[in-house]
Amino acid sequence: GDSVTQMEGPVTLSEEAFLTINCTYTATGYPSLFWYVQYPGEGLQLLLKATKADDKGSNKGFEATYRKETTSFHLEKGSVQVSDSAVYFCALIPGSGGYNKLIFGAGTRLAVHP
Amino acid sequence: NAGVMQNPRHLVRRRGQEARLRCSPMKGHSHVYWYRQLPEEGLKFMVYLQKENIIDESGMPKERFSAEFPKEGPSILRIQQVVRGDSAAYFCASSPPGQPTYEQYFGPGTRLTVT
Repeated sequence: GDSVTQMEGPVTLSEEAFLTINCTYTATGYPSLFWYVQYPGEGLQLLLKATKADDKGSNKGFEATYRKETTSFHLEKGSVQVSDSAVYFCALIPGSGGYNKLIFGAGTRLAVHP
Repeated sequence: NAGVMQNPRHLVRRRGQEARLRCSPMKGHSHVYWYRQLPEEGLKFMVYLQKENIIDESGMPKERFSAEFPKEGPSILRIQQVVRGDSAAYFCASSPPGQPTYEQYFGPGTRLTVT
């Protein structure tokens, strides 16, 4: 079945460091891909999305490119801030018959230190 | 425009009791989804509903769990005879009508603790 695999955390960085969180997927058809962020004690917020191959989603300095050839959707940010500390989830909606059911990775916890 | 509302935010139940979790979708949204997040894990899909219809319940446990989204009022996730393993955060999401709908808007979640 469809699935999402993310790099395990926690990821610990100093402020202004470069961030990469790897995400790969397995899916039939052409899924839509998402990154969600969860701050402590809160629900999930959509960070960015890409709905077809080679699309780049971007928001708040974060970027991810839909790579069909490598089935990947890695999250990057050039300079992280303490306020970026959160759990990041990669997710997909299957391309066919998925009824918009989001399939999530296990999440990657990011801790940014001053 | 208010976001997705869930209540209660925290719920404590003893083993064997019933838990009722409520979700009010965003205004104009007619699709509701329930997800469960076990400690230190990602979210797992449970059920997808439209008004008065269950569209996909493939993620719902076969026993003790049920969901509804009536014509009027919030969506309800009901867990009968709760057990310790039901302790989790339950998130509701909503999306507007029409296909395809790529974006789901999440509520703050209900954290259920079974003692």
